[in-house]
Amino acid sequence: QKEVEQNSGPLSVPEGAIASLNCTYSDRGSQSFFWYRQYSGKSPELIMFIYSNGDKEDGRFTAQLNKASQYVSLLIRDSQPSDSATYLCAAYNTDKLIFGTGTRLQVFP
Amino acid sequence: KAGVTQTPRYLIKTRGQQVTLSCSPISGHRSVSWYQQTPGQGLQFLFEYFSETQRNKGNFPGRFSGRQFSNSRSEMNVSTLELGDSALYLCASSLGGRRQETQYFGPGTRLLVL
Repeated sequence: QKEVEQNSGPLSVPEGAIASLNCTYSDRGSQSFFWYRQYSGKSPELIMFIYSNGDKEDGRFTAQLNKASQYVSLLIRDSQPSDSATYLCAAYNTDKLIFGTGTRLQVFP
Repeated sequence: KAGVTQTPRYLIKTRGQQVTLSCSPISGHRSVSWYQQTPGQGLQFLFEYFSETQRNKGNFPGRFSGRQFSNSRSEMNVSTLELGDSALYLCASSLGGRRQETQYFGPGTRLLVL
């Protein structure tokens, strides 16, 4: 079992819709979680991080954390074609940042 | 503030050669982590340096090594290159004073081994 799991996608959503990206992790001791966006041929860029159970909102992005279910999600409201990228979920595991393999999001006009 | 910089951006080497990659962290950041990214394996942690000491290490063979200088700049070396070492090598920096904090990535070095 991988330590951080994501559906590889692609997840296709129409412009203006809500994109929901999901991630599960295996280490119950993980305390902090990160979402990165990676455009093709580029390096990952941080979208947001979350430490506490519940929701955290930043503009069009909302991260959700449920430690009991070992589940992290990222919601993108009003999706735009420019949001088309691979989204990487990461969790700290014994002081190493472990990444999922990413979910490819496609937003079509 | 300038971001994380990596040099060179692209490299072509042949099997058996060795290569050194360089990473300059964001000013004030003392921790540098290195990752290998391949299409099949995703982003995999190589090692982390903090205050010139290796603080953490991933599951890579000893051919992969690194070091950090007093100005926090870091280098990564791969000896006896293999075809499977072809990848995007990313470094990320963080303040380093506290574990589990946000890391910021450089643009990466794309290595092709022929």
